[in-house]
Amino acid sequence: GEDVEQSLFLSVREGDSSVINCTYTDSSSTYLYWYKQEPGAGLQLLTYIFSNMDMKQDQRLTVLLNKKDKHLSLRIADTQTGDSAIYFCAESMDNQGGKLIFGQGTELSVKP
Amino acid sequence: ETGVTQSPTHLIKTRGQQVTLRCSSQSGHNTVSWYQQALGQGPQFIFQYYREEENGRGNFPPRFSGLQFPNYSSELNVNALELDDSALYLCASRRTASKSGANVLTFGAGSRLTVL
Repeated sequence: GEDVEQSLFLSVREGDSSVINCTYTDSSSTYLYWYKQEPGAGLQLLTYIFSNMDMKQDQRLTVLLNKKDKHLSLRIADTQTGDSAIYFCAESMDNQGGKLIFGQGTELSVKP
Repeated sequence: ETGVTQSPTHLIKTRGQQVTLRCSSQSGHNTVSWYQQALGQGPQFIFQYYREEENGRGNFPPRFSGLQFPNYSSELNVNALELDDSALYLCASRRTASKSGANVLTFGAGSRLTVL
């Protein structure tokens, strides 16, 4: 079945690293994504990873994928107060066109 | 790039009424999809349109319908509103409806619907 799960809250100090975790159940996932949502705004794509990769780095963001355990994580280095937002992981499958399946989101709070 | 714009930003309806939400896709994007985001939840896929035809649908009843126009703007219509329809409705566009490749969507800021 299709299910994506995330922990609901994460609180870190400014300058620390944040790690947001996600698990998914569908082994046919082709791509996995991380989106950011700030209050009153739509979803902003941060990064995505193809399922045959195990790591992707983009500036302060590092995505790790463990396909065997169906576990995805997003690490934000040197977290800033502007990183405070809700982070969603999502998956898509080749045979389902434009459909993304989202987790329920992790609220990241960055304290000065 | 103009981004994805949605209107109205907020609206209030009563149970049983009908609502139309509008979306203007990013320039050059020929595929639009709609998502429902209930409070505290992740977005749920409603449907996708490509070349003015629906080509993918999530687990939503037929009272949720859509239109896509030649200029790539689109509408989401919901009939016989129920209290549980209260949510943020997000429109997202992409350049192609290819069934392979990453589904890189550009989202609008959403229309928040409250049903009383």
